[in-house]
Amino acid sequence: ILNVEQSPQSLHVQEGDSTNFTCSFPSSNFYALHWYRWETAKSPEALFVMTLNGDEKKKGRISATLNTKEGYSYLYIKGSQPEDSATYLCAVVLNDYKLSFGAGTTVTVRA
Amino acid sequence: GAVVSQHPSRVICKSGTSVKIECRSLDFQATTMFWYRQFPKKSLMLMATSNEGSKATYEQGVEKDKFLINHASLTLSTLTVTSAHPEDSSFYICSARLASREQYFGPGTRLTVT
Repeated sequence: ILNVEQSPQSLHVQEGDSTNFTCSFPSSNFYALHWYRWETAKSPEALFVMTLNGDEKKKGRISATLNTKEGYSYLYIKGSQPEDSATYLCAVVLNDYKLSFGAGTTVTVRA
Repeated sequence: GAVVSQHPSRVICKSGTSVKIECRSLDFQATTMFWYRQFPKKSLMLMATSNEGSKATYEQGVEKDKFLINHASLTLSTLTVTSAHPEDSSFYICSARLASREQYFGPGTRLTVT
């Protein structure tokens, strides 16, 4: 199991503002990284799977980048909306396809 | 597609009793399911890998006699917390893996042992 760190633990953002947060992980033996969006009382929803250094993925107003050499990924939310309020989890995939999760970043968008 | 359900969503039990949690893949078959546990403000921690038709593989530090896993069909895995104690109170969540290796998660079960 890897040490996956997410920061900040929580953040508040005004509706319409953009924000970003970080997932860091050991860069050796990297296989893949997943981002999930988790709303209270629901199942975590897969956002992105990223494998290659320099990968950039986008889904609507949410995008992510990956730097495997230095061991970090950023998730960006552009023009935050109240429905973006959730906990965002990143998970690093080990070579046996097990997931090591960070503790998540909880985003609260204020109207 | 790729929906995973978990039942119950919330359970309160008395110390010393056993509790069974079900994880079902509703629209796909999953030869492999995973069970995770989450303490407050901590990350999801993998407890065990549940393989259909064979014994589960437990992570280091997880007692297999305490957390019994049965994966009797391609759509159902169960986790039984035996002789539960207050320290077993936690959030338990399962995932089911597709052939593509993508994991889909259930909504979780909040267990409180009194």
